Amino acid sequence: DQQVKQNSPSLSVQEGRISILNCDYTNSMFDYFLWYKKYPAEGPTFLISISSIKDKNEDGRFTVFLNKSAKHLSLHIVPSQPGDSAVYFCAASQLISGGYNKLIFGAGTRLAVHP
Amino acid sequence: KAGVTQTPRYLIKTRGQQVTLSCSPISGHRSVSWYQQTPGQGLQFLFEYFSETQRNKGNFPGRFSGRQFSNSRSEMNVSTLELGDSALYLCASSLEGTGVYGYTFGSGTRLTVV
Repeated sequence: DQQVKQNSPSLSVQEGRISILNCDYTNSMFDYFLWYKKYPAEGPTFLISISSIKDKNEDGRFTVFLNKSAKHLSLHIVPSQPGDSAVYFCAASQLISGGYNKLIFGAGTRLAVHP
Repeated sequence: KAGVTQTPRYLIKTRGQQVTLSCSPISGHRSVSWYQQTPGQGLQFLFEYFSETQRNKGNFPGRFSGRQFSNSRSEMNVSTLELGDSALYLCASSLEGTGVYGYTFGSGTRLTVV
C-alpha cells in the first residue's frame, strides 16, 4: 500500500517554462511534507518542505503547494533550468509515538529540462 | 563538515551469498535510516537506528538486518541474496531522527546480485 504516490514517472519541460511535479498521499496523519532532488550516482538532497498547517511555501524558484482536502501537493519550479534535470521525490513525515518521525517516499518523477 | 559516507560504492554478489554495507553518519548525528531504491518503487524504508537501537522497521523480510555502533556508524546486512535484492541502498543520517528537518543522504551502495 503506497501512502505517497507520484503518478507521473517522467516530465519533460522546456527551459524557462514552469515545471509542475505532483504528489498524492492517503494518510491524513502526515504532518510534514518534503521534496528531495536526486542526481544520478548521488544521494537525494533536501529541496523544500511544508508543514501541514500551511498551504504554500516558497524558496527562490521553488514553491510547494499543499491541498489538504485533496491530499495533494505539488512542486512548482519557475523558471526551469537544465540543471534542474533530476529525479524528484516527494516525502511525507508521520509523527510516531516517542516524538520522532519516519519519512515515507514516493516513487519519484524524472524531470528533463530541455534548452 | 564531512557528509554521510557509504562503503563500498559498488558491489557484485551471487545469489545465496550475504553482504554487509556500511554507513558513517555526519558527526553528531545519532539517527541512521536505511532505504532501498529500485526503479519504479522509489525509496523503500528498511529500518532506522537511534543510539544503537532499532526503533523503526519497514516491510522487508528478516534477511535484511542492521545494527548501529556506539559511534553511530551503522551496518546493514542482507543474507541469502536474491536477484530482486539488486538495488541502490541509501543511508540517511539526522540529528534526532526528526524527518521534518530533512535527512542527509549518502551517495549509496549499488548492489548487483547475479
